[in-house]
Amino acid sequence: KAGVTQTPRYLIKTRGQQVTLSCSPISGHRSVSWYQQTPGQGLQFLFEYFSETQRNKGNFPGRFSGRQFSNSRSEMNVSTLELGDSALYLCASSLVAGDYTDTQYFGPGTRLTVL
Amino acid sequence: AQKITQTQPGMFVQEKEAVTLDCTYDTSDPSYGLFWYKQPSSGEMIFLIYQGSYDQQNATEGRYSLNFQKARKSANLVISASQLGDSAMYFCAMREVNDYKLSFGAGTTVTVRA
Repeated sequence: KAGVTQTPRYLIKTRGQQVTLSCSPISGHRSVSWYQQTPGQGLQFLFEYFSETQRNKGNFPGRFSGRQFSNSRSEMNVSTLELGDSALYLCASSLVAGDYTDTQYFGPGTRLTVL
Repeated sequence: AQKITQTQPGMFVQEKEAVTLDCTYDTSDPSYGLFWYKQPSSGEMIFLIYQGSYDQQNATEGRYSLNFQKARKSANLVISASQLGDSAMYFCAMREVNDYKLSFGAGTTVTVRA
């Protein structure tokens, strides 16, 4: 079974631009979560989607948004990029949402650099 | 408050030796799951092992085992017979029944020496 895929793997943008990242979950997985990883803040939860609905959102400004499609693929968008948005963005998929025993499997990440 | 604490920022281990990575957690939920992930320099987070709060036995997956001490709120990862490919960052994470996300520790960098 194919793993979680994320595109693109690397992105370089300038301040003020916007960016869209894509995530395809493992086949059969319906829940997709997004995390931001930075050296200073570590791994922080962005949001979780299940059945095309955002179930939960982390403590991030409204510039960060996302959506999920009927095939469970998900995109996240960051508008008006700031230097501090430079990070590794990780997508994780799991079978269902809200089950603490359900393992989240991660993709390779998208490394975003904002200049 | 920090939910997951990993006190070892970095460790060196000799090839073929065992290494223990410490993880303590904080929760008032009776139901929770503990996870360990490996992150090589490439960035991908690789799932290693899972322990549920009601599991009576310590989890094992190949060379990985989890030393679960519930009363001490400790979930240490043991890697036996270390290999050069084990060099990576290791993260302990928890998912509580009343939460929806994984809460991660700061991670421990393991370097395996030949």
